[in-house]
Amino acid sequence: GNSVTQMEGPVTLSEEAFLTINCTYTATGYPSLFWYVQYPGEGLQLLLKATKADDKGSNKGFEATYRKETTSFHLEKGSVQVSDSAVYFCALSQGAQKLVFGQGTRLTINP
Amino acid sequence: DADVTQTPRNRITKTGKRIMLECSQTKGHDRMYWYRQDPGLGLRLIYYSFDVKDINKGEISDGYSVSRQAQAKFSLSLESAIPNQTALYFCATSDLPRGGTYNEQFFGPGTRLTVL
Repeated sequence: GNSVTQMEGPVTLSEEAFLTINCTYTATGYPSLFWYVQYPGEGLQLLLKATKADDKGSNKGFEATYRKETTSFHLEKGSVQVSDSAVYFCALSQGAQKLVFGQGTRLTINP
Repeated sequence: DADVTQTPRNRITKTGKRIMLECSQTKGHDRMYWYRQDPGLGLRLIYYSFDVKDINKGEISDGYSVSRQAQAKFSLSLESAIPNQTALYFCATSDLPRGGTYNEQFFGPGTRLTVL
């Protein structure tokens, strides 16, 4: 079946550091890929998405590129802020049906 | 006003009690979902509904039941709560996919349930 694997957390960085959170997936065919973010005490919200190979999703300074050859969708940001502290979830959707989530990566940014 | 609301936000109950979690949405979406979140496990799908007459089991439906009372309302019940159902529960909604390519879901704020 479909599955998503994220890098183990928690991740702690200093403000203005470069961020990478790794995400790889297993799926038949060509899923759509997502990053969701969960701020403290809130539900998940969509951060960015990519619906086909080589697409780059971007939002709020975050980027992720759909790499079919490596089945990856790594999240990156060039300079993180304290306000980026949250839990980040990678997810896939196949055939516009259900979402399958990774286990989440907790990110803490120190001033 | 929030588009997806959940009640209660926090609940403590005892083993063996029946409990209902409610979800309402004003987004006009046909599709609704219930997930549970456990540390280190991400979100796992409990049940989902693609319209009022459609109910489907997710990957962890044992011990849970649902009711889709209207397009806007989707309730999750624990018939006889047990401690390992202690978790954070999320409701989500989505529209019919446009072009059939992806499924963006909108989440409620969550209900923290503790079963003693």
